[in-house]
Amino acid sequence: DTGVSQDPRHKITKRGQNVTFRCDPISEHNRLYWYRQTLGQGPEFLTYFQNEAQLEKSRLLSDRFSAERPKGSFSTLEIQRTEQGDSAMYLCASSVAGYSYNEQFFGPGTRLTVL
Amino acid sequence: GIQVEQSPPDLILQEGANSTLRCNFSDSVNNLQWFHQNPWGQLINLFYIPSGTKQNGRLSATTVATERYSLLYISSSQTTDSGVYFCAVATGGSEKLVFGKGTKLTVNP
Repeated sequence: DTGVSQDPRHKITKRGQNVTFRCDPISEHNRLYWYRQTLGQGPEFLTYFQNEAQLEKSRLLSDRFSAERPKGSFSTLEIQRTEQGDSAMYLCASSVAGYSYNEQFFGPGTRLTVL
Repeated sequence: GIQVEQSPPDLILQEGANSTLRCNFSDSVNNLQWFHQNPWGQLINLFYIPSGTKQNGRLSATTVATERYSLLYISSSQTTDSGVYFCAVATGGSEKLVFGKGTKLTVNP
């Protein structure tokens, strides 16, 4: 049983470039989440999907950020016109929607550095 | 929104010592998880514990939901226990986890 996988693990880009990250959840997990973690802080929620529907978005998710989960399986997170403040670890998590149970499991993250 | 406070922020132990990490939260929760973040950034699930008590080897956790706190106990600590421990909660109709700032644990040999 494989865990959550993320690709790439590291990304270095120049300011103003676009980047896209991919997350593959645990198979049969119908919920998928994106979080962002900066140095010395806990992860912060960005958005989540149940199947292909995006059900909640944080105010942190500016217009430059977009997330998709087109077939209810893998998800992509795109950042357009990257800024140095976007440098962070981007974490993906998945869970099974269940009554009174929603344990989230995290992937290894994608570390983004914007020069 | 809900506030999550973890204490202490830093903890240094000798190998073999026991420790207690605390998580206070400001509202009722429907999800509470404890994680260990290793030096490579991977969040490892320790406990899913919105209420009650659980044990897994040298680790145990207790959540007293009515008093809005949770405790993580580490017994006979080992150097591999070093890292940052996070408490995260979800409340109301939201599925998002809100994380505390973490407790950085260092276990010296």
